[in-house]
Amino acid sequence: EAQVTQNPRYLITVTGKKLTVTCSQNMNHEYMSWYRQDPGLGLRQIYYSMNVEVTDKGDVPEGYKVSRKEKRNFPLILESPSPNQTSLYFCASSLMGQPQHFGDGTRLSIL
Amino acid sequence: RKEVEQDPGPFNVPEGATVAFNCTYSNSASQSFFWYRQDCRKEPKLLMSVYSSGNEDGRFTAQLNRASQYISLLIRDSKLSDSATYLCVVNPGTYKYIFGTGTRLKVLA
Repeated sequence: EAQVTQNPRYLITVTGKKLTVTCSQNMNHEYMSWYRQDPGLGLRQIYYSMNVEVTDKGDVPEGYKVSRKEKRNFPLILESPSPNQTSLYFCASSLMGQPQHFGDGTRLSIL
Repeated sequence: RKEVEQDPGPFNVPEGATVAFNCTYSNSASQSFFWYRQDCRKEPKLLMSVYSSGNEDGRFTAQLNRASQYISLLIRDSKLSDSATYLCVVNPGTYKYIFGTGTRLKVLA
């Protein structure tokens, strides 16, 4: 089954404790992206990747890192999480310019 | 001006009604357009792509007006299950996808 898989689905953690949200897709898509969704602000792009080892900042990259060592994986790293990063996060993948497929989302709470 | 703008709603309509949403975009070079549906705090799911000539999928019709820089979504014979938030997405010919903040639709029995 074609899918984008994010883990974990839910995470409650504390300020400053490094965390990683994993994202994997099995559709051989070259394009992958991370979004955060906050009430009233819609989906905002954090980082995206056009292919292996090629990443770029989206609209709200501060406080986040990504890597794309393999085509299927695109982890989101929060080196020192803060409460303003509490949000609902989505990973997505697609062929370039085509509709994106989304993961189920990760609810992240930073206390 | 936002790159992609939608009326947040909510649009409250009775079952069986026809409802239409518009979405305006600011970049005239935009290449690809999509409508997604999102149920409360779940992942967005593709409803339909929007083609230059307009396209239809069952009760749903999408249209693109490049001159006025907007896309529209028409839902005929609304069902209770159509209640959701509808997201407009624009790809401005770069590697980014720009999302509108969504329009909430409530279909009432």
